Amino acid sequence: AQKITQTQPGMFVQEKEAVTLDCTYDTSDPSYGLFWYKQPSSGEMIFLIYQGSYDQQNATEGRYSLNFQKARKSANLVISASQLGDSAMYFCAMRGITGNQFYFGTGTSLTVIP
Amino acid sequence: EPEVTQTPSHQVTQMGQEVILRCVPISNHLYFYWYRQILGQKVEFLVSFYNNEISEKSEIFDDQFSVERPDGSNFTLKIRSTKLEDSAMYFCASSEIRGGTQETQYFGPGTRLLVL
Repeated sequence: AQKITQTQPGMFVQEKEAVTLDCTYDTSDPSYGLFWYKQPSSGEMIFLIYQGSYDQQNATEGRYSLNFQKARKSANLVISASQLGDSAMYFCAMRGITGNQFYFGTGTSLTVIP
Repeated sequence: EPEVTQTPSHQVTQMGQEVILRCVPISNHLYFYWYRQILGQKVEFLVSFYNNEISEKSEIFDDQFSVERPDGSNFTLKIRSTKLEDSAMYFCASSEIRGGTQETQYFGPGTRLLVL
C-alpha cells in the first residue's frame, strides 16, 4: 500500500521569500509518480507539478520545483518568490503501479504574509 | 486550456434521498475518477473507471454508490440513499493515459454535497 505523510499542518512565509513544503512517502512499488496539488479556499484542486520515480532530474514548473530524494523517500515542494496568491492548502499525492488511484497526504496550509 | 467541469457546484439534500453528481472529463482523456474530501480532511479515492467499467474502487464505494458514463462526454456518480456522513466535497478527475506525465489526474472544481 502507498502512504503519503505531510508533517506540517501549517506554514507561514514572507512574501517574496522561498518556502519548502515537506512530503515523505512509503511504497514498495518499483515505479511510481509523485504529484503536488494546490487547493485554494474556493476548493478546487489545481495540479502543480509531477515527478516520476525514474526521472533523473528534479521537476520544475515556473516558481515550483520538487526536491526529490529517492533514497529518503521524500518529495518536497519548493515555492520560490512567494506571492499572496500562493496562500492555500497544498497536497502531496502519489500513484504506484498497482492500481491507478492517487493517495493523498493530509495537506499543508500555507499562508503568505505581506 | 481544456478542463474538467462538474455540476452542480453545491447540492443540498435530505437524508435518504438520491443524488447524482455530474462531471464532464477532458475530451481526450480515457481514465475517470471520483474522490471525496470530508471537510478538513484529506482527499480520498472512491472509484476509477476505464473502458466503460469500474477498474478499481475503495472500501468507501459500497453498494450505495454507482458510476456511469451515459454518453460520450458525461461521467456521473450516484448516491442512492444519502447519509449524513456523505456530506463532503466530491471531485471528479480524469487522466489521458497511464504512465509518465500524461498520467496526471486533472481535477474538476468539485461539488459540495450537504446532507441534512
